[in-house]
Amino acid sequence: DAKTTQPNSMESNEEEPVHLPCNHSTISGTDYIHWYRQLPSQGPEYVIHGLTSNVNNRMASLAIAEDRKSSTLILHRATLRDAAVYYCILYRQTGANNLFFGTGTRLTVIP
Amino acid sequence: DTAVSQTPKYLVTQMGNDKSIKCEQNLGHDTMYWYKQDSKKFLKIMFSYNNKELIINETVPNRFSPKSPDKAHLNLHINSLELGDSAVYFCASSQDYPGLGNEKLFFGSGTQLSVL
Repeated sequence: DAKTTQPNSMESNEEEPVHLPCNHSTISGTDYIHWYRQLPSQGPEYVIHGLTSNVNNRMASLAIAEDRKSSTLILHRATLRDAAVYYCILYRQTGANNLFFGTGTRLTVIP
Repeated sequence: DTAVSQTPKYLVTQMGNDKSIKCEQNLGHDTMYWYKQDSKKFLKIMFSYNNKELIINETVPNRFSPKSPDKAHLNLHINSLELGDSAVYFCASSQDYPGLGNEKLFFGSGTQLSVL
């Protein structure tokens, strides 16, 4: 499985933007970059995904470096409900589901 | 309405017992999955089914047997439970065939299995 590296934890003040980084230097051309988050005692929740171009949806934005070796998940205004573990995952088009969730980044939102 | 629901939420049982976890999705998706989250919080796929057919069977002991009576249900039966089976098990579903790379997964809230 292609590896990703994320900080173990980050803090943000409520209503401020949050930038969650992810390094994936071994990414291949067929790897999609997915982000999921997991709230306490919940299953993972899809956030966003992309291949090469930056992506926006109602939850977040995904900024992908030109060489695709890193990406950043952007929460535009953090709320207390955004406190969760955020997973950056490379998902390869191999004909099999190989989503592997590593340890992720635990985001703490400070009121 | 809960999109992916699994029962029970908690399951405490003795070693050697047989137990089942049920999963249902009302999203109309074609693909369902079972994932296991271990004590280190790593989440790994166990099985996936597409339209009731087994697609992925990762290296899982054959004591674990998934059953899909229809595409909206994927149950997990575990025989002869062992201490190491203690974990949180998540059911998930997606619209697309697994392995395209861009499918979105919708997860249930998990079943915490404790084997004593």
